[in-house]
Amino acid sequence: KQEVTQIPAALSVPEGENLVLNCSFTDSAIYNLQWFRQDPGKGLTSLLLIQSSQREQTSGRLNASLDKSSGRSTLYIAASQPGDSATYLCAVSSSSASKIIFGSGTRLSIRP
Amino acid sequence: NADVMQNPRHLVRRRGQEARLRCSPMKGHSHVYWYRQLPEEGLKFMVYLQKENIIDESGMPKERFSAEFPKEGPSILRIQQVVRGDSAAYFCASSPGTGGSEQYFGPGTRLTVT
Repeated sequence: KQEVTQIPAALSVPEGENLVLNCSFTDSAIYNLQWFRQDPGKGLTSLLLIQSSQREQTSGRLNASLDKSSGRSTLYIAASQPGDSATYLCAVSSSSASKIIFGSGTRLSIRP
Repeated sequence: NADVMQNPRHLVRRRGQEARLRCSPMKGHSHVYWYRQLPEEGLKFMVYLQKENIIDESGMPKERFSAEFPKEGPSILRIQQVVRGDSAAYFCASSPGTGGSEQYFGPGTRLTVT
């Protein structure tokens, strides 16, 4: 049974810092891994999707890496801004048409 | 419509009433997924449907919950005789199925049971 864990559960850093959010999963047989952002009381915004054959994806100040063999992914946020404050969710799927398994998220707060 | 639509966005029901949540997938998408997010918890898979078929309902509670995705119209998640523990945000996602696996999420329906 696939389980997704995110550490830390909460993180507070001053504006401008670079930071790393961690995600681990127990079954390395994944189809893809996705990072989402969720603002309080809002829906999900997809940030990056990494196919199982890929090692990383980049979008602006965000970079996500994937190491399938070790069951790990990281989301790197460069030059953090107060607007980056949100909950970040890591999620994996095991096939092209299957449910997504979510981690519990990292609640990120960027202090001005 | 380019986006996944869910309505209503907010729904208040008294204990014992029925709740119906609707999801219209993105145009051209034939696969729908429902997820539930309980307060202060992560999202949990409930059910996966294709047109007129339930593919995976392993996350659905055994009683009071049902889902459908008819040939025409939106997907419906139905909760009968709601209880306070059903208060949560319910998210729908859609994907094109063959040729594309990424799921696109709707804004969610926030159900409050009083």
